[in-house]
Amino acid sequence: EVQLVQSGAVLKKPGESLKISCEGSGYTFAHYWIGWVRQMPGKGLEWIGVIFPGDSDTRYNPSFKGQVTISADKSINTAYLQWRTLKASDTAIYFCARRPATAEGSFNYFDPWGQGTPVTVSS
Amino acid sequence: IVMTQTPLSLAVTPGEPASISCRASQSLFDSEDGETYVDWYLQKPGQAPKLLIYTLSYRASGVPARFRGSGSGTVFTLKISRVESEDVGVYYCMQRIEFPYTFGQGTRLEIK
Repeated sequence: EVQLVQSGAVLKKPGESLKISCEGSGYTFAHYWIGWVRQMPGKGLEWIGVIFPGDSDTRYNPSFKGQVTISADKSINTAYLQWRTLKASDTAIYFCARRPATAEGSFNYFDPWGQGTPVTVSS
Repeated sequence: IVMTQTPLSLAVTPGEPASISCRASQSLFDSEDGETYVDWYLQKPGQAPKLLIYTLSYRASGVPARFRGSGSGTVFTLKISRVESEDVGVYYCMQRIEFPYTFGQGTRLEIK
């Protein structure tokens, strides 16, 4: 069974750093893109960026570039989303999702998704 | 690309149909491969989004036949032929023809 399992909920203070994870299983992790999505409290979904673990090719939504870092370690089938300096406005649920890298664009959809990691930033 | 959904909420009696519209600020049709890159997701309360429809009209694995995606160019529709109680949640359209991918604001479906 293909699965993405994310790290657990975290409570941090403004100014602290954080790295959350997304571990894939049931497939060849290096051969699929992993995307990250933010959902602020009571709000909709926003793409943060995507990474191809095979060669670490990474693309960021311009709205998030410089605010977060996306990385991956294909040796342990895990992708990461990282902040150097958290702000209260980073409070959200963060989801990861898998996307194929086929030549057939019609099949390059995001599925499955991880269960989400709630991040709370509060003093 | 801005994705605009209507309505933002709707309440439907079980067994009745439901329809959600999504409009893109530019065409999602890829002339190179003839595909239209809009997907639909359902996010149930407290859960991650789940893929319903991909590439305009293909149902994802395990999705009931009562869900149907249609449209062309910049205007798309998700139709549920007969709503069931398990269909409650927020529905999102999403474009993936151009990065950054973008979602609609979401449409909340409630049962009357």
